[in-house]
Amino acid sequence: AQTIHQWPVAEIKAVGSPLSLGCTIKGKSSPNLYWYWQATGGTLQQLFYSITVGQVESVVQLNLSASRPKDDQFILSTEKLLLSHSGFYLCAWSLDTTNSDYTFGSGTRLLVI
Amino acid sequence: AQSVDQPDAHVTLYEGASLELRCSYSYSAAPYLFWYVQYPGQSLQFLLKYITGDAVVKGTKGFEAEFRKSNSSFNLKKSPAHWSDSAKYFCALTGANTGKLTFGHGTILRVHP
Repeated sequence: AQTIHQWPVAEIKAVGSPLSLGCTIKGKSSPNLYWYWQATGGTLQQLFYSITVGQVESVVQLNLSASRPKDDQFILSTEKLLLSHSGFYLCAWSLDTTNSDYTFGSGTRLLVI
Repeated sequence: AQSVDQPDAHVTLYEGASLELRCSYSYSAAPYLFWYVQYPGQSLQFLLKYITGDAVVKGTKGFEAEFRKSNSSFNLKKSPAHWSDSAKYFCALTGANTGKLTFGHGTILRVHP
């Protein structure tokens, strides 16, 4: 069975500090991977998606970047956090870009102070 | 461009009543439509999807949805509602080979015992 693991579970970070969030998929080769951001009480905004290793497409950047260094790993990062980065970050995977269930990870809750 | 509208930010009803959460979409090609549920503090759980075929699709937790191309809607239904259905529900849209899953703003459902 496929599993999706996000880390860390939660972070409290200072404005201006760097950030790295991770997502790992086990049990499925070459998944499509996605990053979403959700403000408290808000909707989900897709940030990035990746179809293959080394390739990442940006949907909305929000002063963030993403990388896919391995087939099963997706990283979200920034060198300088803003207050507006606070929220809930969700990683998701699918078997292809459509016609599939998008399975979401348990998320990382980020508070920037 | 693709967009999803969930016109009701909140829906409140009593246990045993029928529930219907509204979703309309805008998309120039054949839409792939999804419903997800989010319980407080948790990630998203998949309920059901429409890709093609029968207009009425059945999903988990006793939910079903009807795709109506004529008015670009994909409303979620359940009867009877249970207090445990209280959560936030998201409608989402994608299309063939876009890599983008667009969410509505969500509807918070409260079912009173």
